Amino acid sequence: AQSVTQLDSQVPVFEEAPVELRCNYSSSVSVYLFWYVQYPNQGLQLLLKYLSGSTLVKGINGFEAEFNKSQTSFHLRKPSVHISDTAEYFCASSPGANNLFFGTGTRLTVIP
Amino acid sequence: DAGVIQSPRHEVTEMGQEVTLRCKPISGHDYLFWYRQTMMRGLELLIYFNNNVPIDDSGMPEDRFSAKMPNASFSTLKIQPSEPRDSAVYFCASSFGHNEQFFGPGTRLTVL
Repeated sequence: AQSVTQLDSQVPVFEEAPVELRCNYSSSVSVYLFWYVQYPNQGLQLLLKYLSGSTLVKGINGFEAEFNKSQTSFHLRKPSVHISDTAEYFCASSPGANNLFFGTGTRLTVIP
Repeated sequence: DAGVIQSPRHEVTEMGQEVTLRCKPISGHDYLFWYRQTMMRGLELLIYFNNNVPIDDSGMPEDRFSAKMPNASFSTLKIQPSEPRDSAVYFCASSFGHNEQFFGPGTRLTVL
């Protein structure tokens, strides 16, 4: 069975500071990993995805994530956040890039 | 492309009434997904279709829920009869093959 754990439900961070949102997955098979962002009253938008290849994945809006198989992690990072990054972030895994198993989400609040 | 279109955006109904949510996927996409988002349970996959055929409906909570996809450009999710615990945001998403899922803006359902 697949599952995704997002360790932090809320992360406050000051503007222009770096941020890391943590995600751990469990799977007995090869897995695809995703990060989605949800702005208030909107649907989810894909930030980045790991399917294979390089373990460092770059996404939109300056975000990146690193796939770490030994630690079963896929943490999301950004070196300098903006007010506009305030949103809910979801990590998801999939055995075949179709069935997405979502984590419970991390609410990122950027403080001016 | 207009993206995934969902209607209505908001629905308020009384317990016992029938509710129908609608989704128009992105043209050319062959997968369609219905999700439910609540504070208590987060994002849950209810059902997904491939080429208009339901593939996995194990996430449908009970027989009161049904989903159809009569053609490649339209799908419905029906709740009959509705109950207050069905209150949630319902998302539709579509994808082409094993690629990223594009989400609609969601329908916020309130059952009184």
